[in-house]
Amino acid sequence: QVQLVESGGGVVQPGKSLRLSCAASGFTFSSYGFHWVRQAPGKGLEWVAVLWSEGNNKYYVDSVRGRFTISRDNSKNTLFLQMNSLRVEDTAMYYCVREAGGADNYFDSWGQGTLVTVSS
Amino acid sequence: SYILTQPPSVSVAPGQTAKISCGGNNIGRNSVHWYQQKPGQAPVLVVYDDSDRPSGIPERFSGSNSGNTATLTISRVEAGDEADYYCQVWDNNSDHWVFGGGTKLTVL
Repeated sequence: QVQLVESGGGVVQPGKSLRLSCAASGFTFSSYGFHWVRQAPGKGLEWVAVLWSEGNNKYYVDSVRGRFTISRDNSKNTLFLQMNSLRVEDTAMYYCVREAGGADNYFDSWGQGTLVTVSS
Repeated sequence: SYILTQPPSVSVAPGQTAKISCGGNNIGRNSVHWYQQKPGQAPVLVVYDDSDRPSGIPERFSGSNSGNTATLTISRVEAGDEADYYCQVWDNNSDHWVFGGGTKLTVL
């Protein structure tokens, strides 16, 4: 079955960096696009970034562009999110999410999330 | 950027029908997807492409989309349906994925 397991979250000071990982299993990882979606405590869902399966197309929400980098290692079935210059407002649960195949633009599988807390 | 507007809360008695709206400019031209999130859990897809259901989702969940409003309809509501529900579209003008603010469904 499809499994997405995030790791790398924790408590970090403003201005510091953190790298999130998402280990995938149960399907052909290289065939899918992946996203990071976050949810601040008590708030709604916010899309963060996408990395498509084909080519190197990446897109980011405006608030993280230039600070966050999404990447993947298909040989290790792993998705990453490098987060630099972290801000208090980046505090959230970060979900690794698989985009349904083909031309669909919805999320058919979610990890359980990893919590990032940015605080001095 | 594209904005999706949902009511913060909807309340319904067990056995009744709940309707959760998602408003957006000409949203009927987009494919709308819906997610259910229970406390402490990751979201789960319940409706995709306006009205299709993933395997394992009860037929009680249905969707529609026209004009400026998409709607998630939950028939014969059960206590276990109590959750937050989010609509989502892909904004092809910006290549951004957009969520509505979420609606908390309370089963009375």
